[in-house]
Amino acid sequence: GNSVTQMEGPVTLSEEAFLTINCTYTATGYPSLFWYVQYPGEGLQLLLKATKADDKGSNKGFEATYRKETTSFHLEKGSVQVSDSAVYFCALSLNQAGTALIFGKGTTLSVSS
Amino acid sequence: GAVVSQHPSRVICKSGTSVKIECRSLDFQATTMFWYRQFPKQSLMLMATSNEGSKATYEQGVEKDKFLINHASLTLSTLTVTSAHPEDSSFYICSGEGQDATDTQYFGPGTRLTVL
Repeated sequence: GNSVTQMEGPVTLSEEAFLTINCTYTATGYPSLFWYVQYPGEGLQLLLKATKADDKGSNKGFEATYRKETTSFHLEKGSVQVSDSAVYFCALSLNQAGTALIFGKGTTLSVSS
Repeated sequence: GAVVSQHPSRVICKSGTSVKIECRSLDFQATTMFWYRQFPKQSLMLMATSNEGSKATYEQGVEKDKFLINHASLTLSTLTVTSAHPEDSSFYICSGEGQDATDTQYFGPGTRLTVL
């Protein structure tokens, strides 16, 4: 079936460290891939997305590249800030109208100064 | 991007009462809206898919008589938790999909329900 697997957290980093959160997927067809971020007590915000193989999504210093050969969409940031502390969700869309996103379990990132 | 609002943001109610949560797409028309619930430190669990003008489709294990969903217009869907119990306490999040069925869904800020 269709699924998303994320690395388990929590991930604890010092400010300015390099961040990688792994995400792999299983899907039929040609899914679109997303990273959402959830700050404490809030809903989900779209961080970035990629709709086809080799696309790179980027926003606020975060990047992720859609790798079809490895079915991955790893999230990276070169230098994290305390304000990046949040829960990050990898998700896929089967690109079918009326079909919900499929989410990974989420990875908690905690950045200390 | 498009904006989805939810109301209320927090609600505390007594066991046995009903609570209605509204989900509105503010600047786009949402043919389809999705309702999720999220337990602490867990991912989002899809509860139901709501299409404007038709009955909602519920996920396995979700009681449709307990979680009533109405999608009366292209900008409003409501979730009513009937006869709420403490185990219904959770964070409820809705999302909207535009009429052109783009692959981006826009999420509301969530509603924190606490049942005493």
